[in-house]
Amino acid sequence: QQPVQSPQAVILREGEDAVINCSSSKALYSVHWYRQKHGEAPVFLMILLKGGEQKGHEKISASFNEKKQQSSLYLTASQLSYSGTYFCGTEFGGTSYGKLTFGQGTILTVHP
Amino acid sequence: KAGVTQTPRYLIKTRGQQVTLSCSPISGHRSVSWYQQTPGQGLQFLFEYFSETQRNKGNFPGRFSGRQFSNSRSEMNVSTLELGDSALYLCASSYDRSRGTEAFFGQGTRLTVV
Repeated sequence: QQPVQSPQAVILREGEDAVINCSSSKALYSVHWYRQKHGEAPVFLMILLKGGEQKGHEKISASFNEKKQQSSLYLTASQLSYSGTYFCGTEFGGTSYGKLTFGQGTILTVHP
Repeated sequence: KAGVTQTPRYLIKTRGQQVTLSCSPISGHRSVSWYQQTPGQGLQFLFEYFSETQRNKGNFPGRFSGRQFSNSRSEMNVSTLELGDSALYLCASSYDRSRGTEAFFGQGTRLTVV
């Protein structure tokens, strides 16, 4: 049950804001957000746990709606360095501990 | 603190051969997960090891196997390589994945099967 990310791609000018969504059809234990630049490893941004706990970079904000099984990543006042592909990884808990199921990615391009 | 180290960075192999990839996790991390990344299928989970035990496995054929050593370093092996195995193989290390902790990725091994 791969989560669905939207939008698939977004183009911004520096300083603009964007929201990336991640939806699951299955109950989630946690949602993990990563950014990957071309040819590089995915970089951890944030983890949101069932129950409300969050861990991640101070400049990144995200939400987790447990009722809707949906998470949103908020990128405000975008910078050129925000460009890359954003992935959400979902963890279902139970016997799925240790396994992340990733969305297809959202390509974010920030122009000067 | 050193990050996750994967070796080698690049590999070219011929169909039918086998390959072994290595992953050294961040010091103190006991969980290592492996993922395959391709343009068509995205990031797909292969397996996860914690304290030398495989706790979870993805939907890959038995040609894909792995192991973890007592120092938490992990290896994955792919036997009888197929063209479709060409991919970026990423490992991620975590202190303890069962508690929903952060996972940090290595740079990956780019495998090309010809």
